[in-house]
Amino acid sequence: DGGITQSPKYLFRKEGQNVTLSCEQNLNHDAMYWYRQDPGQGLRLIYYSQIVNDFQKGDIAEGYSVSREKKESFPLTVTSAQKNPTAFYLCASSQPGQLSYEQYFGPGTRLTVT
Amino acid sequence: AQSVTQLGSHVSVSEGALVLLRCNYSSSVPPYLFWYVQYPNQGLQLLLKYTTGATLVKGINGFEAEFKKSETSFHLTKPSAHMSDAAEYFCAVTNGGSQGNLIFGKGTKLSVKP
Repeated sequence: DGGITQSPKYLFRKEGQNVTLSCEQNLNHDAMYWYRQDPGQGLRLIYYSQIVNDFQKGDIAEGYSVSREKKESFPLTVTSAQKNPTAFYLCASSQPGQLSYEQYFGPGTRLTVT
Repeated sequence: AQSVTQLGSHVSVSEGALVLLRCNYSSSVPPYLFWYVQYPNQGLQLLLKYTTGATLVKGINGFEAEFKKSETSFHLTKPSAHMSDAAEYFCAVTNGGSQGNLIFGKGTKLSVKP
């Protein structure tokens, strides 16, 4: 089955700790994205990557970091510098430029920092 | 710059009634438009999309949307609501190009009363 997996589903951390969220896709898509979702705020773009070994900041990149060493993987690290990290995090992928642009989403990771 | 406005953060309908979720967009070039649905604690699932061609687009679960360029709208409708339609719905826009990043609205939560 082709799709996007995110793990874990729920993650709990203490304040001051870095935490890495996993995102893997087997759709052979070039582009991958990380979004943060808070109630009533829709989806806000954190980072995106159009190709391996390259990525760009989105609208709310402060306090986050990413890597794209493999086409199928795009992990997100929430650092201790992120002031309010508790949120629902969604990973997506797409194959832009094929008159489609639709993004496919993973099931999400709910991060709680106390 | 592109933007999406979803009118009404919460919409409540009775089972069997018409569902109408409103989306207006702003784009300087012909847009690609999407509606996604999200069930609690899950990722987003594509309902339907408009790229080119026919302005009335049919999607999954009996939903459809009409692209109206003169009104810059892409409202989502379903003739008869079902309890299983209760979810949050997101409208998104992109102008394509090599990146094709999606801009999302803040979402509309649909409740269906028995």
